[in-house]
Amino acid sequence: QQQVKQSPQSLIVQKGGISIINCAYENTAFDYFPWYQQFPGKGPALLIAIRPDVSEKKEGRFTISFNKSAKQFSLHIMDSQPGDSATYFCAAPPNAGKSTFGDGTTLTVKP
Amino acid sequence: DTEVTQTPKHLVMGMTNKKSLKCEQHMGHRAMYWYKQKAKKPPELMFVYSYEKLSINESVPSRFSPECPNSSLLNLHLHALQPEDSALYLCASNPRFSNYGYTFGSGTRLTVV
Repeated sequence: QQQVKQSPQSLIVQKGGISIINCAYENTAFDYFPWYQQFPGKGPALLIAIRPDVSEKKEGRFTISFNKSAKQFSLHIMDSQPGDSATYFCAAPPNAGKSTFGDGTTLTVKP
Repeated sequence: DTEVTQTPKHLVMGMTNKKSLKCEQHMGHRAMYWYKQKAKKPPELMFVYSYEKLSINESVPSRFSPECPNSSLLNLHLHALQPEDSALYLCASNPRFSNYGYTFGSGTRLTVV
């Protein structure tokens, strides 16, 4: 069964706009919520992660918002740039160490 | 050194060939992972090594054979593959067997003909 459900599947944003990607989870025991960024032909790279004891974490233009009651965490990309065009994956914390990825969101930032 | 290095970057092999993928990291990480990624899909876990011991095999067909000769090196031996095995094979590592902070390599693009 899928441990995380990611949406939307694809997203097109104008340069300078805000990109928002959501991830819903079911297991309330999860204690770590990462987002990965993957460019074509490359492996995923850890972008930003949050623990459930905080509601928001910001690193530059990237922010994770965590809503414990809704069992959802979101990635916000402020002032989106064409270089942000990539596929973004959320991941579920381990079931015995096995991280499961969401289906991915393909972000296109138009100049 | 904060990288996971995978070789080769590209590999084309016939269904009767034997080949190996190599992964190396010098970050002192004690957990290493093999993932398989098909186009427009998320990575799927294949194997996990923790402290050089195989911890998880996600019911991967025996034509894929992992090996961890030492704490820095991970191999994936391939034999009698099928065209549907064509994919991007990713290696990852982290300090210990957990979800936290994977470092991925750039992958090997495998094509089986």
